[in-house]
Amino acid sequence: SQKIEQNSEALNIQEGKTATLTCNYTNYSPAYLQWYRQDPGRGPVFLLLIRENEKEKRKERLKVTFDTTLKQSLFHITASQPADSATYLCALLYNAGNMLTFGGGTRLMVKP
Amino acid sequence: DTGVSQDPRHKITKRGQNVTFRCDPISEHNRLYWYRQTLGQGPEFLTYFQNEAQLEKSRLLSDRFSAERPKGSFSTLEIQRTEQGDSAMYLCASSPRGQTLGETQYFGPGTRLLVL
Repeated sequence: SQKIEQNSEALNIQEGKTATLTCNYTNYSPAYLQWYRQDPGRGPVFLLLIRENEKEKRKERLKVTFDTTLKQSLFHITASQPADSATYLCALLYNAGNMLTFGGGTRLMVKP
Repeated sequence: DTGVSQDPRHKITKRGQNVTFRCDPISEHNRLYWYRQTLGQGPEFLTYFQNEAQLEKSRLLSDRFSAERPKGSFSTLEIQRTEQGDSAMYLCASSPRGQTLGETQYFGPGTRLLVL
């Protein structure tokens, strides 16, 4: 079965620095790879989607890369702010179905 | 607020009791999903509806779990004879028409269930 790995340890960075989060998966590549933000006690919020034939996608301070050879996606937040502190979830969507398969998430803490 | 809504937000019940959760998707969204999330983990897919038809169910959805979407609008998730292992956050999401795979899913705030 598909396995998605995100660093379970919290990532602590200083305000203004770039945060980089990693998502690795096994087996076959998805049609889409997505990143979500989740705050404590809340549902995930969609951030970015990247297709299997795309290498990079940007949205404001966010950047996602997708390497199907390495089976890896990197999620970058530039000029990080304390308000960016949250858990970030990687999710895969395959052509064969409509369900999202999520990683365990990485908690990001941005210190002022 | 036109987002996905869920009710109740919190539920405490005793083992063996039945519970029912409701999800109201974003208006005009034809796809509706249920996920379950335990502490420190990502959401796990439970089931999916397109309009009123339940098209996919995870093996996580034991026979104690049942979901309905009778008119293709709101959905209910019922858990019968609850067990302590059912304690989790139950998330509902919806996605709009026109997407091939339902790739943009909008999540509700979740219902947190605690089974004592």
